[in-house]
Amino acid sequence: AAGVIQSPRHLIKEKRETATLKCYPIPRHDTVYWYQQGPGQDPQFLISFYEKMQSDKGSIPDRFSAQQFSDYHSELNMSSLELGDSALYFCASSRGLATGELFFGEGSRLTVL
Amino acid sequence: KQEVTQIPAALSVPEGENLVLNCSFTDSAIYNLQWFRQDPGKGLTSLLLIQSSQREQTSGRLNASLDKSSGRSTLYIAASQPGDSATYLCAVRRVGETSGSRLTFGEGTQLTVNP
Repeated sequence: AAGVIQSPRHLIKEKRETATLKCYPIPRHDTVYWYQQGPGQDPQFLISFYEKMQSDKGSIPDRFSAQQFSDYHSELNMSSLELGDSALYFCASSRGLATGELFFGEGSRLTVL
Repeated sequence: KQEVTQIPAALSVPEGENLVLNCSFTDSAIYNLQWFRQDPGKGLTSLLLIQSSQREQTSGRLNASLDKSSGRSTLYIAASQPGDSATYLCAVRRVGETSGSRLTFGEGTQLTVNP
């Protein structure tokens, strides 16, 4: 069965650089979520989109932005990267906004040097 | 604000033992609760989803229960195996006008099953 696809899987950037992560949801899933997981921490919600509109916003820094496109894939853009942005970034998708089961991708590991 | 707590933080058991992981949440107005498994440096694998109207869900050796009124869920693992070793995360979806879509995670229980 098709799963959530994230790219790239690994990314190394310097401080103050920019990075873009991509997420391709499971077919027919209309909701995408972004989470950030630091070492030894639980995943922290960043932002979500339903039918290409932002549906919820969590602890996403102002330096980050995201959007969902017409084909339902989503991109997380991160600018002015800081050392503290080093983390595993997960994308998840579901069908529907409230009661659907969330399925997570394998994550994109960002290292900021 | 929804807070999710998991007890114990870590658990080590011999192979074959039955075990229970606990999850509690502060706001009982939830859509559902989901249990995940995470291997080190890997993604989150959904194990069980319990809707707010349900009391329990079963999948193979796993059984999850939900007591929404008391804000508690348990994950029961029968006949544990070394391959069950991983971090188990509980997450809830709170009802709300703008926050109904997010999952709030607990900090997880790190399980080690010894051969």
